Amino acid sequence: GAGVSQSPSNKVTEKGKDVELRCDPISGHTALYWYRQSLGQGLEFLIYFQGNSAPDKSGLPSDRFSAERTGGSVSTLTIQRTQQEDSAVYLCASTTGEGETQYFGPGTRLLVL
Amino acid sequence: AQSVAQPEDQVNVAEGNPLTVKCTYSVSGNPYLFWYVQYPNRGLQFLLKYITGDNLVKGSYGFEAEFNKSQTSFHLKKPSALVSDSALYFCAVRVHSGSARQLTFGSGTQLTVLP
Repeated sequence: GAGVSQSPSNKVTEKGKDVELRCDPISGHTALYWYRQSLGQGLEFLIYFQGNSAPDKSGLPSDRFSAERTGGSVSTLTIQRTQQEDSAVYLCASTTGEGETQYFGPGTRLLVL
Repeated sequence: AQSVAQPEDQVNVAEGNPLTVKCTYSVSGNPYLFWYVQYPNRGLQFLLKYITGDNLVKGSYGFEAEFNKSQTSFHLKKPSALVSDSALYFCAVRVHSGSARQLTFGSGTQLTVLP
């Protein structure tokens, strides 16, 4: 079946610009996660959505980062006024719920010049 | 707080030899433990997990891992390595209960299987 998809696969932007990254989770998965993978920091949790509950935003590094999940499915991660330190691979994962395996998308590689 | 340690940045093994990639963890409560593999320019691919029950867990591609509660370890093993196993391996943990649902990852171990 279809896995988690993310778009774009690569994004190059200039410092100060806003970017939007998209995640399409596996159909029927109620929970969705965003992580960031960078050379200096490894894999970091950013934000978690579960059904209609308020998202867990505890991992967002600054108020320039925000995310939405519309209709309990597609999610968009927005980074405003991008900085060079935002350069990383942004990974999305989805799962059916409590304790279950998180399945990851291929990621979006973001480069801020 | 939960944490994962992968003490080896790099593991080299000859093809056909057994391999071990080490992982230790720290959580408050009972852990869920996972191993993922990442090939170049790809996302994370699930290998196996421990939730409860038998301490020896078998997963994809002939990999297995043993949960050791007293040593708080979850080492990944394979009896006979293949060149195609060369990749970056991540151990991850989360707790059974509480508000933290996200995975906490180790720093990764680069496995190289030499022909």
